[in-house]
Amino acid sequence: GAVVSQHPSRVICKSGTSVKIECRSLDFQATTMFWYRQFPKQSLMLMATSNEGSKATYEQGVEKDKFLINHASLTLSTLTVTSAHPEDSSFYICSASQAGERGYGYTFGSGTRLTVV
Amino acid sequence: AQRVTQPEKLLSVFKGAPVELKCNYSYSGSPELFWYVQYSRQRLQLLLRHISRESIKGFTADLNKGETSFHLKKPFAQEEDSAMYYCALRLYNQGGKLIFGQGTELSVKP
Repeated sequence: GAVVSQHPSRVICKSGTSVKIECRSLDFQATTMFWYRQFPKQSLMLMATSNEGSKATYEQGVEKDKFLINHASLTLSTLTVTSAHPEDSSFYICSASQAGERGYGYTFGSGTRLTVV
Repeated sequence: AQRVTQPEKLLSVFKGAPVELKCNYSYSGSPELFWYVQYSRQRLQLLLRHISRESIKGFTADLNKGETSFHLKKPFAQEEDSAMYYCALRLYNQGGKLIFGQGTELSVKP
């Protein structure tokens, strides 16, 4: 089945530094990738939607300059948290989808636990 | 506005008891709904989607457009069903993005 690899699984960084999270679709071409943020035992909050070769669409309230998303190929999307602060500490999850046809599911990465100290 | 609501944060049942996890949605378009499960320390996995009408691990869910609901049911809960369950709505006219309910933690006691 479809597999999405997300890396790193866990990262600790200092305040003010930037962190890059990668999301790769291993055996399919992901025309669309989604980035979510999840707080403990809470829902997944959609941050942005990215389509290969175009700018990401951010959800209301998400700072695009802080959370840089790149989707340069059909198998790779990256999320860079710039100038990280402790409040950015969270669990970040990517999801990939094929095409846009009805009935297609979404494959999720295993998530990245970001801790900013 | 589009919204997915899971009213129960925690549902605790005994093994062998029936389970129903509630999900209601608000969407002006034609809904496409999913249930995802997240076991402890694992990634989200698709449990089922209303389009395929399949039953996975004994779970079923029926889309009720009149009540705007997509409740997840299982007649006899097992301990291994303990997990977080998320109902999700695909917004096909918004790039296919998926929005989630708040999640329900199912705890099946022996």
